[in-house]
Amino acid sequence: AAGVIQSPRHLIKEKRETATLKCYPIPRHDTVYWYQQGPGQDPQFLISFYEKMQSDKGSIPDRFSAQQFSDYHSELNMSSLELGDSALYFCASSFNGGYNEQFFGPGTRLTVL
Amino acid sequence: GENVEQHPSTLSVQEGDSAVIKCTYSDSASNYFPWYKQELGKRPQLIIDIRSNVGEKKDQRIAVTLNKTAKHFSLHITETQPEDSAVYFCAASTISRDTGRRALTFGSGTRLQVQP
Repeated sequence: AAGVIQSPRHLIKEKRETATLKCYPIPRHDTVYWYQQGPGQDPQFLISFYEKMQSDKGSIPDRFSAQQFSDYHSELNMSSLELGDSALYFCASSFNGGYNEQFFGPGTRLTVL
Repeated sequence: GENVEQHPSTLSVQEGDSAVIKCTYSDSASNYFPWYKQELGKRPQLIIDIRSNVGEKKDQRIAVTLNKTAKHFSLHITETQPEDSAVYFCAASTISRDTGRRALTFGSGTRLQVQP
């Protein structure tokens, strides 16, 4: 069965650089969520999109932005990167006609040097 | 907003024993409670979930119970095996007051170690 696809899987950036993470949801899923997971921590909700509109906002810094495109893929744009942004970034998708079962992608490991 | 507390933070059991992980939530509007298993460096994987209209659900060696009155839910793993070793996260889904859409709030995780 098709799963959530994320790219790139690994990314190394310098402080103050920008990064773009991509997420391709499971086919026919209409909602995408972004989570940030630091070492030894639980996933922290950043932002979500439903039918290409922002549907909920969590602890996303102002330096980050995201959008969902017409083909339902989503991109997380991160600017002025800081050392503390180093983390695993997961995208999850769901079909919001149901109870919101969220399925996670493999994640992007971002390292900021 | 929703607050989910999870205990214990670490749990070590012998192979074949049972393991129980407990979570409490604060928002009485929460109506969906999934459990995720995460191995080191990998994605959280949904292992079982329960909806607010039932009190218990079982899938082979895994069961989840929900007490809506007390606002707590638990994961039970029987006949544990070394491959059950991982971090387990509980979560609660609530309706966003601003958007009407659902979001997941996670517990802090339980590191389960099954000793062979």
